[in-house]
Amino acid sequence: DTGVSQDPRHKITKRGQNVTFRCDPISEHNRLYWYRQTLGQGPEFLTYFQNEAQLEKSRLLSDRFSAERPKGSFSTLEIQRTEQGDSAMYLCASSLRDEQYFGPGTRLTVT
Amino acid sequence: GENVEQHPSTLSVQEGDSAVIKCTYSDSASNYFPWYKQELGKGPQLIIDIRSNVGEKKDQRIAVTLNKTAKHFSLHITETQPEDSAVYFCAANDYGQNFVFGPGTRLSVLP
Repeated sequence: DTGVSQDPRHKITKRGQNVTFRCDPISEHNRLYWYRQTLGQGPEFLTYFQNEAQLEKSRLLSDRFSAERPKGSFSTLEIQRTEQGDSAMYLCASSLRDEQYFGPGTRLTVT
Repeated sequence: GENVEQHPSTLSVQEGDSAVIKCTYSDSASNYFPWYKQELGKGPQLIIDIRSNVGEKKDQRIAVTLNKTAKHFSLHITETQPEDSAVYFCAANDYGQNFVFGPGTRLSVLP
């Protein structure tokens, strides 16, 4: 257990529905990252926060995706109008410097 | 942007033998190279990392080497044990905090 928690661990939703995931980082970590991982692949960077500021976003992050980190603590990732291609593991990581510590992930299945 | 390749995709070794996984990167500006171990159903776990001003780093049975000129870095695991069986990912930092991961190596340690 790295100290990074994610909720829920699993989510099954129907195409077109909205979903929201939560990440609680290690308390003293000011950096927070979201990644997406599909089966047999490495994690793909989605977005990065330093404190409450969203500083970087991947081109992978379409307009249907939005992330927030109010008050620089926990973060949420929302996917609107889900598509079957959104089915993946969504990973959160936090860091104080370069070393990133990952949570267990939220597995999303879109039916 | 950065591109990370990783070989081999699968690796089987006998318990007690050594395992070597190699990665190459494309962006000479990358300066931080972590290695992660991912077990089934869990998030990636940082096992060792190296910065561009260092050529080699060791931590017990695990070592990482970096050749900046050739733009490749390798993970070495000695005296492998069955609990080393997992998927291993290398990564390199692209611009800012955008990390690019390799596609992974599935290591099986046979008793």
